[in-house]
Amino acid sequence: GNSVTQMEGPVTLSEEAFLTINCTYTATGYPSLFWYVQYPGEGLQLLLKATKADDKGSNKGFEATYRKETTSFHLEKGSVQVSDSAVYFCALLWGRRALTFGSGTRLQVQP
Amino acid sequence: SAVISQKPSRDICQRGTSLTIQCQVDSQVTMMFWYRQQPGQSLTLIATANQGSEATYESGFVIDKFPISRPNLTFSTLTVSNMSPEDSSIYLCSVEGGAGSGETQYFGPGTRLLVL
Repeated sequence: GNSVTQMEGPVTLSEEAFLTINCTYTATGYPSLFWYVQYPGEGLQLLLKATKADDKGSNKGFEATYRKETTSFHLEKGSVQVSDSAVYFCALLWGRRALTFGSGTRLQVQP
Repeated sequence: SAVISQKPSRDICQRGTSLTIQCQVDSQVTMMFWYRQQPGQSLTLIATANQGSEATYESGFVIDKFPISRPNLTFSTLTVSNMSPEDSSIYLCSVEGGAGSGETQYFGPGTRLLVL
């Protein structure tokens, strides 16, 4: 079946540091891939997505590239801010119309 | 995109009681999904709700415990029945974004449930 594996958190960074959150997936076909973000006390918001191999999703300074050869969709940001503190979820969509989520990675950015 | 609202936003309930959560979408959608997010955990799909047919439940979730209604293309309810403290979670509904959204799914703000 489909599955998503994310690096475990929490990840603690200083402001302006470089961020990478690893995400790898298993699927029988070619899924669409997503990053969702959940700010404290709020629901899920779509951060970015990629629907085919080599696509790069980007939003708010975050980027992720769909790598079919490594079945990965790592999230990166060059310079994090305190306001980026949140939980980040990697997810895939394949074979059915409901998302399969990773376990989530909590990011804490310190001033 | 789709704008989704949920009611209530949060509630504190006594064990043994039931709570019905409402999900309203600002456009007509074919499929609606209900997820559960237990404290500190990821999201787990409870069921998929199509208008005009019975909901399809994931393994570990049953209709008697989580009955779902889908009376029209913009509305759904999820009931958490005979609650226990283990049901304390955030319950989220989501919908597909529709044509042109590239399979994106949008989520409601969630209902935060605490069972005492």
